[in-house]
Amino acid sequence: DTGVSQDPRHKITKRGQNVTFRCDPISEHNRLYWYRQTLGQGPEFLTYFQNEAQLEKSRLLSDRFSAERPKGSFSTLEIQRTEQGDSAMYLCASTGGGAEAFFGQGTRLTVV
Amino acid sequence: AQRVTQPEKLLSVFKGAPVELKCNYSYSGSPELFWYVQYSRQRLQLLLRHISRESIKGFTADLNKGETSFHLKKPFAQEEDSAMYYCALKGQGAQKLVFGQGTRLTINP
Repeated sequence: DTGVSQDPRHKITKRGQNVTFRCDPISEHNRLYWYRQTLGQGPEFLTYFQNEAQLEKSRLLSDRFSAERPKGSFSTLEIQRTEQGDSAMYLCASTGGGAEAFFGQGTRLTVV
Repeated sequence: AQRVTQPEKLLSVFKGAPVELKCNYSYSGSPELFWYVQYSRQRLQLLLRHISRESIKGFTADLNKGETSFHLKKPFAQEEDSAMYYCALKGQGAQKLVFGQGTRLTINP
């Protein structure tokens, strides 16, 4: 599968723990995005990178959230001191020169 | 503010009937509009975008700037059209997508 891949697919964690998710975009894509989707809602933008530069962050991205894309390839999203409200599907997407965003299958986070 | 509204959370039609999924948007400039679809156990994928003016899988969508709408239509629904459909907007010069809440379409046999 040469599409966007995300790892893990599912994560259950206890409240207060830190979690880290990984996204591998399509290899030639220079833009990478993180979205969050809660039940019954559409995806909400969190942040995006062009190569290794983080160019935009949503106000949804509290100081407990941090994202990196150190070499302009894969990206990680870390959530510190998780809360029950962080339970959601975390989606990664990438784009190349065109407008079409290619999405990964997501990481479903459950905070108990 | 940018906003996308899909007024129907659920839509159910019979096979062979016409289907229309509504999408209204709020944006002061000239946006790009998209429809994304998510079939059962698959990832979110692009169905069509207004700029291309294509018909994909029999679906079309026309951007109506006067009514700020981008409704998705298909004259004869098929069972394989059952899926979750999201309307999305990208502002001028922006990179992020703003999504609606989605409409779950069910095609009954």
